Amino acid sequence: DQQVKQNSPSLSVQEGRISILNCDYTNSMFDYFLWYKKYPAEGPTFLISISSIKDKNEDGRFTVFLNKSAKHLSLHIVPSQPGDSAVYFCAASHVYNQGGKLIFGQGTELSVKP
Amino acid sequence: NAGVTQTPKFRILKIGQSMTLQCTQDMNHNYMYWYRQDPGMGLKLIYYSVGAGITDKGEVPNGYNVSRSTTEDFPLRLELAAPSQTSVYFCASRAGNNQPQHFGDGTRLSIL
Repeated sequence: DQQVKQNSPSLSVQEGRISILNCDYTNSMFDYFLWYKKYPAEGPTFLISISSIKDKNEDGRFTVFLNKSAKHLSLHIVPSQPGDSAVYFCAASHVYNQGGKLIFGQGTELSVKP
Repeated sequence: NAGVTQTPKFRILKIGQSMTLQCTQDMNHNYMYWYRQDPGMGLKLIYYSVGAGITDKGEVPNGYNVSRSTTEDFPLRLELAAPSQTSVYFCASRAGNNQPQHFGDGTRLSIL
């Protein structure tokens, strides 16, 4: 039962353009959503999060959008830089579920080409 | 800033051996977690703790045990290693509700 899905295993964009990473979820009880970035041989690094009471959150070049009716969130990176090349995981949690555990998608590998 | 520290980084075990994966955090976080990541998959929760002395099972707890005697440390124990436990193990901690989890760099474990 895949509660969080990232349907694109990979994405390639040109430096300076926008990267859009997508994530779908099935559990309407999720109330907190996060994006993590992961380089090989390192742990996931927190990027940005959004509470279910909001529909948008920005932090510099990163913006997360939440569409609760569609159970969909996306991460926009503008402008994309070669250093953004990594695997991106979306994750969701519900505060009362197993200590607020994170349910992860499978990841999308982003490649930003110079 | 150390954050979440995991040791060892790599380990090869033989079937039936036991070992303890260490995790320590210096952020005074109450919540701590152990996840495993198999190839091409997201992370799955093994065990979690909401504070010293309190632990509970996650999605995939079989074959593992944990303890939480202090706020800082949350070791994960494998008693009888099996090939299915070959994976990358991540420890994480967070401060409270609607706060992000912060991860260590992982322990890559191979069981042969």
